[in-house]
Amino acid sequence: KAGVTQTPRYLIKTRGQQVTLSCSPISGHRSVSWYQQTPGQGLQFLFEYFSETQRNKGNFPGRFSGRQFSNSRSEMNVSTLELGDSALYLCATTTWGGEETQYFGPGTRLLVL
Amino acid sequence: GENVEQHPSTLSVQEGDSAVIKCTYSDSASNYFPWYKQELGKRPQLIIDIRSNVGEKKDQRIAVTLNKTAKHFSLHITETQPEDSAVYFCAASGYSSASKIIFGSGTRLSIRP
Repeated sequence: KAGVTQTPRYLIKTRGQQVTLSCSPISGHRSVSWYQQTPGQGLQFLFEYFSETQRNKGNFPGRFSGRQFSNSRSEMNVSTLELGDSALYLCATTTWGGEETQYFGPGTRLLVL
Repeated sequence: GENVEQHPSTLSVQEGDSAVIKCTYSDSASNYFPWYKQELGKRPQLIIDIRSNVGEKKDQRIAVTLNKTAKHFSLHITETQPEDSAVYFCAASGYSSASKIIFGSGTRLSIRP
C-alpha cells in the first residue's frame, strides 16, 4: 500500500495570508489527525476527522480549520497567518482511530515571513 | 483535560548503556500507550506499544512498562547504539475509536560514542 502523502512539502507565506494543506491517507484509512510540530513543543493535536466529520479538536484558535472528503483525503486551512504558525504540520491516519497505530505523513513545513 | 508529561526532555547516554524515558498521564480512561521515534528530518514511527491489560512488553532491545495505578509508563532501551539517537514521543489514548491520542512533549536521546 502507498503510505500517507502530504502536499505541498514546503511552503513560504507572509503574515495575513491563508494556506491550505492536503493529506491523503493510506487506502482504507478513514481517520485523519493533524498535528503542529514546533521545536520544543512536541506534537500539538489540531483536530481529527472521520467519515467527513470532525470528531476531536485540540486547543487551537478558529483560524485553524479542516475538512475531510468522501475519499478520506483531508485538508487543513490556516487563515490570517501569524509568524508563530511557522511549523511542521503532520497528518496521521488510521483505519478507525483510538488504539490503532498512527501512520504519519512526511509533513508540510510552513514558513511564515 | 487530558495531559501526558514526559521526562527528561533531553538524555545523553554512552553507547552500550541503557536509556529510560518516563511518562505520566492524567486521564484514567487511557488504555493504549504507544511510543514513537522521530529521526532528524523524518516522520514519527511507532516502535512499541502497550495496552492496559499488560504490565510489560519487550521487543529485542526495547521494553515498555506500565503502572496503571500510578498512571505512568516508561520506555527502556538497552545496549544503546548510535542509530538510537532520535526524539522519542510517548502517547496515551482510550480504547474507543473516537478517543483522542495525546502525545508527550518528546525526549531527545543522544548516544555518545
